[in-house]
Amino acid sequence: GAVVSQHPSWVICKSGTSVKIECRSLDFQATTMFWYRQFPKQSLMLMATSNEGSKATYEQGVEKDKFLINHASLTLSTLTVTSAHPEDSSFYICSAIKNMGRQETQYFGPGTRLLVL
Amino acid sequence: AQKITQTQPGMFVQEKEAVTLDCTYDTSDPSYGLFWYKQPSSGEMIFLIYQGSYDQQNATEGRYSLNFQKARKSANLVISASQLGDSAMYFCAMREGRSGYSTLTFGKGTMLLVSP
Repeated sequence: GAVVSQHPSWVICKSGTSVKIECRSLDFQATTMFWYRQFPKQSLMLMATSNEGSKATYEQGVEKDKFLINHASLTLSTLTVTSAHPEDSSFYICSAIKNMGRQETQYFGPGTRLLVL
Repeated sequence: AQKITQTQPGMFVQEKEAVTLDCTYDTSDPSYGLFWYKQPSSGEMIFLIYQGSYDQQNATEGRYSLNFQKARKSANLVISASQLGDSAMYFCAMREGRSGYSTLTFGKGTMLLVSP
């Protein structure tokens, strides 16, 4: 069964509005979560690493004031796309690391499709 | 240089046949992990299999096996007895270093189509 959930699964919004996406680890605590972005027919690009209780670490080229990340608890990280524009339309996927004994494995949420009109 | 290279943009296979998806990697770190994920049209990323750089044996998970050739820096995914539901995008990924919390680097993916 799913171990990471994401909400909403899709959202359509007007340009200039802000959109919040939630990522939850369902049956484990995740001190570290990751946010990825995926454009059509392309691979996943890491946007930022979300750390519980501290500031997120952003990848080069990702605007931290545009993509606000809050990892408020051990099971929840949120990504807020502020003042969204059409170029922000994309598929956003979060992941959380679960310790499986032999190795730590990243489990992904089902993703959120964002369309900004 | 790309860290993960998947040279096959698309692959066709008939149902019940085996298929190999190629992945080569580049790292100077002696400690690393290799992952394969499946992404169906729904978009979710499904973890398939993991191979650690120090693992002596090739990883296997049901119909999935990883052909790990360390000297060649390749980590090909073998799917035996393909099923229609295997049609999806497949991504190879690598995590460098000992920490299990390091980030993943993904390849560009291979689209697999399984025909009846």
